[in-house]
This record gives sequence, C-alpha cells and structure tokens, in this order.
Amino acid sequence: SAVISQKPSRDICQRGTSLTIQCQVDSQVTMMFWYRQQPGQSLTLIATANQGSEATYESGFVIDKFPISRPNLTFSTLTVSNMSPEDSSIYLCSVRSGQRQETQYFGPGTRLLVL
Amino acid sequence: KQEVTQIPAALSVPEGENLVLNCSFTDSAIYNLQWFRQDPGKGLTSLLLIQSSQREQTSGRLNASLDKSSGRSTLYIAASQPGDSATYLCAVTDSWGKLQFGAGTQVVVTP
Repeated sequence: SAVISQKPSRDICQRGTSLTIQCQVDSQVTMMFWYRQQPGQSLTLIATANQGSEATYESGFVIDKFPISRPNLTFSTLTVSNMSPEDSSIYLCSVRSGQRQETQYFGPGTRLLVL
Repeated sequence: KQEVTQIPAALSVPEGENLVLNCSFTDSAIYNLQWFRQDPGKGLTSLLLIQSSQREQTSGRLNASLDKSSGRSTLYIAASQPGDSATYLCAVTDSWGKLQFGAGTQVVVTP
C-alpha cells in the first residue's frame, strides 16, 4: 500500500492568485497522478507526473495553468495558476502501488475555494 | 470514449439492509475495475479491484461482480452499518492505463 499526504488540506484564495499543492508519498513511486473533483462531479485526471521528465497533461489541461514539479520519487507539487472561481474544486494526488502496480491510492485531497 | 455511469446517485437504507450499487461502462475493453469509497476530507480508499478476467472479488462484507461483456459491475455490501455511509465510486482502467471514474453513489445508512 501507499500512504499519501497533501498540503494544504484546504484553502480560500482570491481570483488571480496562485496556489501550490504538495503531495508526499511514503514510498518511491514511478508515476504520480493529479486529479480534480469539481463540486458534485466525479474525478478528472489533470496530468501524470514522472520523475525526471515533464508531466503529461490530459485534454483540456495545460502546463501554463497547472504547472507540475516532480523533483524525486516521493514528492510532487501542482500549482493552480491565475485562479478563477471555476477552479474551486478538490485536488487529489494519487499513485499506483501493489504487486502489479494496479491498485490506486489517493491522498486526502486539497479543498480549494476561489472567491 | 469510455463513459462510466453509476445508478442510483443516492441511496438511503436502514441499518442491517443489504446495499446494491451499480456501475456500467460503455467500452468493454477494460484492464480492470476498482471500487472506491470516498469520505469527506479523507480522499478515496480502494475497496476492491477486479481484473478483467475475473467475475467477482470479495472482501469481508463486500462483494463485487463484473460482467465485462455487458459492461456492468455491482457492489454488494451485506448487513449495512452506519459506518458504511459514504460515497462509493467505481472506476475502470482503460486500454491506455488511465482510470475513468463514475460520478458515484452517495450512501446513507440510518441507525
């Protein structure tokens, strides 16, 4: 299994500002995933972060808006840039672990409210 | 494009009743299917993972079935307890290795 922590757990931000979310895993993992869960909706994958290379973004998400860092095998950050109220969501970090790297584990999430 | 649907969106049952949660997906070319539980402020917890070649998985009071050909999975929770109150999400791993989530079923078990 994998234990994941995220900081901050929640924040209230003003539009136009940026927020960096940290994700720490208790074991080394190859890939880390960032998801967004908008109010009342399911999870949507933002990007996949590999250590030592640029993140791979899903359709509808761009690096300028959601820059990601992956400095080592246990840590990643996601920045939500130039925020607007539409960015109000829960942001979750996730990794795959287990014998066949199939079970997906999630952090507790960062609840963001943009005013 | 894979679409994952969960019905019902919300469910309320008295304690002791069995819970039946449904998940359907449009593309049967899945690698596996996972059921998660989401509690407020606690992220997601993986409950069961079913390989595409399997028909069911069991863990304690939980049993999940998979019918890949018809694009359906069902999560059964026996003898429900108030602590089972949460949102339950199903997700399929597609051929690209990515998880596609359903919108979830919000469950309330009343004492």
